[in-house]
Amino acid sequence: ETGVTQTPRHLVMGMTNKKSLKCEQHLGHNAMYWYKQSAKKPLELMFVYSLEERVENNSVPSRFSPECPNSSHLFLHLHTLQPEDSALYLCASSQDHKGAGYGYTFGSGTRLTVV
Amino acid sequence: GQNIDQPTEMTATEGAIVQINCTYQTSGFNGLFWYQQHAGEAPTFLSYNVLDGLEEKGRFSSFLSRSKGYSYLLLKELQMKDSASYLCAVIRGSNYQLIWGAGTKLIIKP
Repeated sequence: ETGVTQTPRHLVMGMTNKKSLKCEQHLGHNAMYWYKQSAKKPLELMFVYSLEERVENNSVPSRFSPECPNSSHLFLHLHTLQPEDSALYLCASSQDHKGAGYGYTFGSGTRLTVV
Repeated sequence: GQNIDQPTEMTATEGAIVQINCTYQTSGFNGLFWYQQHAGEAPTFLSYNVLDGLEEKGRFSSFLSRSKGYSYLLLKELQMKDSASYLCAVIRGSNYQLIWGAGTKLIIKP
């Protein structure tokens, strides 16, 4: 148990589908993140939320839509995805959005395959 | 620009020692993390360096030289369970942006 739980673990979706990824943390952290991890590439930061407010959006296509209803939950809504969006999507949390020294706690990720 | 380089893959023998290097070019350096990630699992925190020198934690040690833009992770008495990817990440700037390397896949052989 890492303290950060992601569901589902695996997801296969068609390009016309709409689905959502869910992340939940019970660590009392104030910042949450969505990352994309593709094979042999660095982790790509997608979104950062601090105290439920989005503080960073790294030019992510609009087919990815985040939602943070409270400091414990984070969603990533997906629609009309492309095959190149297939990757491991990781959620992480930290004490605050600076994270320095405290480290980040990651979930186990959702393995997404777009067909 | 900002760039982090680490070897793509390394192989070592059970019981031996291995050193995984990470070099970086970035402005506004605020610290460096090492994470371990087993296949299909979450990355887990290993170490954090912000000052020059060696930080030892059991079988794992991490070294930082800020003037050289260089860090390494040293793993001693290797065990089969140490087979994983090791991710280097640098914190930069006043907003503490995290820049990640692509990771080093470490394969341990009996």
